[in-house]
Amino acid sequence: QVQLVESGGGVVQPGRSLRLSCVASGFTFSTYDIHWVRQAPGKGLEWVAVISYDGSNKNYADSAKGRFTISRDNSKNTVNLQMNSLRGEDTAVYYCARERVGEWVAGVAIDWLDPWGQGTLVTVSS
Amino acid sequence: SSDLTQDPAVSVALGQTVRITCQGDSLRSYHANWYQQKPGQAPAVVIYGKNKRPSGIPDRFSGSSSGNTASLTITGTQAEDEADYYCNSRDSSGNHYVFGAGTKVTVL
Repeated sequence: QVQLVESGGGVVQPGRSLRLSCVASGFTFSTYDIHWVRQAPGKGLEWVAVISYDGSNKNYADSAKGRFTISRDNSKNTVNLQMNSLRGEDTAVYYCARERVGEWVAGVAIDWLDPWGQGTLVTVSS
Repeated sequence: SSDLTQDPAVSVALGQTVRITCQGDSLRSYHANWYQQKPGQAPAVVIYGKNKRPSGIPDRFSGSSSGNTASLTITGTQAEDEADYYCNSRDSSGNHYVFGAGTKVTVL
């Protein structure tokens, strides 16, 4: 079945780095854009970054720009999120999710996230 | 802060109808999706493209949109519908996704 599995979370000190991975299975990975979305404890969802199906386009939330780098290896069905200069406010469960694209309406593609992985917890603390 | 505004919480009696709204300027240009998240679980889409239901989602879930407001309606709410619901769209540039802050639905 279609599945995404995140790994790499853990406890890290402020200012240090961590790399998250998202491994996909059950679908043609190289044809889908992949997103990272995070959720701080007890808070809502926050979009972090997206990488296009071939890795040629990447976009980041302002909170991630300059510190986080998203990449992918289609030969390994994997998307990574390299997180540098981590701060306490980066503490969250990090989810990866596949972007689905449907029909186009009024020049805009209908797109949504499905499925989501189970998440990996990142705790930034000294 | 979020570009999409949701009410923090709503309650609904079992079997009744509840509507959750999501407001944002970008909704005039981009569609809204709705995700359900139960405690300890990852989010899952319940409505996409304003009013499309993925397979397996009961037809008591429906979506609509007008101007800068998107709505998720649960008709005949069941106990298992108690969850947090998040709307999602793109920002005005179209390059970034955004989420509303979420609405907690309590079934009485």
